[in-house]
Amino acid sequence: GQNIDQPTEMTATEGAIVQINCTYQTSGFNGLFWYQQHAGEAPTFLSYNVLDGLEEKGRFSSFLSRSKGYSYLLLKELQMKDSASYLCAVENSGYALNFGKGTSLLVTP
Amino acid sequence: GAVVSQHPSRVICKSGTSVKIECRSLDFQATTMFWYRQFPKKSLMLMATSNEGSKATYEQGVEKDKFLINHASLTLSTLTVTSAHPEDSSFYICSAPEGVIRNTEAFFGQGTRLTVV
Repeated sequence: GQNIDQPTEMTATEGAIVQINCTYQTSGFNGLFWYQQHAGEAPTFLSYNVLDGLEEKGRFSSFLSRSKGYSYLLLKELQMKDSASYLCAVENSGYALNFGKGTSLLVTP
Repeated sequence: GAVVSQHPSRVICKSGTSVKIECRSLDFQATTMFWYRQFPKKSLMLMATSNEGSKATYEQGVEKDKFLINHASLTLSTLTVTSAHPEDSSFYICSAPEGVIRNTEAFFGQGTRLTVV
């Protein structure tokens, strides 16, 4: 079966750091993605992890532990425009993505 | 730029009519494309897998006679919402991940916002 969990909502202050966690239990694993989605728009790719460890890309970093079925997305130096929904998605062996329900992040002044 | 192009981006139709959404892979061939649906404030859910030259595979709970998928070429998949009802109003998005380097973006189409009135 497929089960991907992430917090529903988070709030953080502009300039701060926030970590969004994602745990997963899936029948197949071909990598884990993080997407940002603003209301009414298509998801925007943020990161991809297939091996354990940390991937850093500018203000965004993503971590994966396959043995623990765990990932997190780290956002640094938060900006107001980072207010959005963040989707954790696991790619199965057939290339389809299974999405978590998304974490709605609100950045406050 | 985007490697997957989806059209239209927004459509409003009357109940009972049919709407066709196109998903094209640009500059590469895709034997498999995926269609997702997203209801307001919900996450993306896989609807079906579109297979070039063969029948689509539908996820549990998705009516194959209502959501017709045609993957007639290696660069085009279409989703037709037949006899649309207001409850079909949703955001539909396709993806074509084959042959795309995983650590790059843009194997999703831009999405189609369908409103049935």
